Amino acid sequence: DAKTTQPTSMDCAEGRAANLPCNHSTISGNEYVYWYRQIHSQGPQYIIHGLKNNETNEMASLIITEDRKSSTLILPHATLRDTAVYYCIVRVPYDYKLSFGAGTTVTVRA
Amino acid sequence: DADVTQTPRNRITKTGKRIMLECSQTKGHDRMYWYRQDPGLGLQLIYYSFDVKDINKGEISDGYSVSRQAQAKFSLSLESAIPNQTALYFCATSDSGEYTDTQYFGPGTRLTVL
Repeated sequence: DAKTTQPTSMDCAEGRAANLPCNHSTISGNEYVYWYRQIHSQGPQYIIHGLKNNETNEMASLIITEDRKSSTLILPHATLRDTAVYYCIVRVPYDYKLSFGAGTTVTVRA
Repeated sequence: DADVTQTPRNRITKTGKRIMLECSQTKGHDRMYWYRQDPGLGLQLIYYSFDVKDINKGEISDGYSVSRQAQAKFSLSLESAIPNQTALYFCATSDSGEYTDTQYFGPGTRLTVL
């Protein structure tokens, strides 16, 4: 699987959009970009995934650059409950093992 | 995810004891997984099962065993617990019918081996 690079940490004001970047410059054509988050010691929570088109669901939006070498997860209106470690993962379909890197620790402040 | 439940949520046990962690899911998924997470570290895959009769070892299966009692139930056993098995344990499920095989996790079991 391609390696990902994320900032170690970032702060966000409550009510504002949180933009989380991820670099995956070695991504292959059949690899998807996935985002999960983990709120302290809870089970990892699936957020969103995409291949090359931008995706949106009830939790977030995923913007993937045209060359697919980077992506941005957008939480449109961050709340205190969005404070968590966010993981960007690149994987091929049916890769049964999820590999989480260090992730980005996002702190939403009131 | 409330569709994936794990019991117990917390367990403290002693070295040498046999422990069973249970996972149940109502998502109708055929694939189930057991991971462990040590403090500040990522997930390590212990075992995975693609259906009731298909069980496979993951990265760190030594000291663990599993049982897939039904499509919805997947149990993890520590035959003789040791202190370095103290960790968070997560169960996950996925649907082989979904092309990208997204995994959904349970709330976890915090296991402490004294």
